[in-house]
Amino acid sequence: QSALTQPPSASGSPGQSVTISCTGTSSDVGGYDYVSWYQQHPGKAPKLMIYDVTTRPSGVPDRFSGSKSGNTASLTVSGLQAEDEADYYCGSFAGSNPVRFGGGTKLTVL
Amino acid sequence: EVQLVESGGGLVQPGGSLRLSCAASGFTLSSNWMSWVRQAPGKGLEWVANIKYDGTEKYYVDSVKGRFTISRDNAKNSLFLQLSSLRAEDTAVYYCTRDISPGTMGYWGQGTLVTVSS
Repeated sequence: QSALTQPPSASGSPGQSVTISCTGTSSDVGGYDYVSWYQQHPGKAPKLMIYDVTTRPSGVPDRFSGSKSGNTASLTVSGLQAEDEADYYCGSFAGSNPVRFGGGTKLTVL
Repeated sequence: EVQLVESGGGLVQPGGSLRLSCAASGFTLSSNWMSWVRQAPGKGLEWVANIKYDGTEKYYVDSVKGRFTISRDNAKNSLFLQLSSLRAEDTAVYYCTRDISPGTMGYWGQGTLVTVSS
């Protein structure tokens, strides 16, 4: 049950766009359209930002978008704002071993 | 409003046991898969276990198989996680989640801290 691979850090200036990748295998990311992304601020519970690869839950700004190509999924944050600074985790359904998470990416707004 | 409130965490010695509870409100528990996810101090998220809406299917991460048991009482709007044979590496904040899609944790509780130490 290996974790998905994310870069440990990412950064961008206010107003810029940043993309975070999440690489898995054909047994998880590549095999199902059930990739999700979570935002976690220090000391807080994670919050769902994207699910089913591209779907935004109600209340999540449209500055957040998701995509997938093969075994790699991506989260793009456009028009970066100070409050976007947080840890981001990807997750994927993986069949009989139901859920795998990435190691997390710390997003810094410069 | 969906609410998930965990309880039952605390300090326990290695080899000990603990039972975590999650009180659910604001939605119909019996219609949803539910999961437990944990986060060790300063580390990332780790999915622990999930359970089908009627309790007939349960899945676990390899590291807790045979030691942890997930269960639910839909009539009491509650989810549980029985932790046994606890190890230092089980120290974490344990979150109760409502799944909205396969492998997707749509709603999270505030978490309960389990510390395994002598």
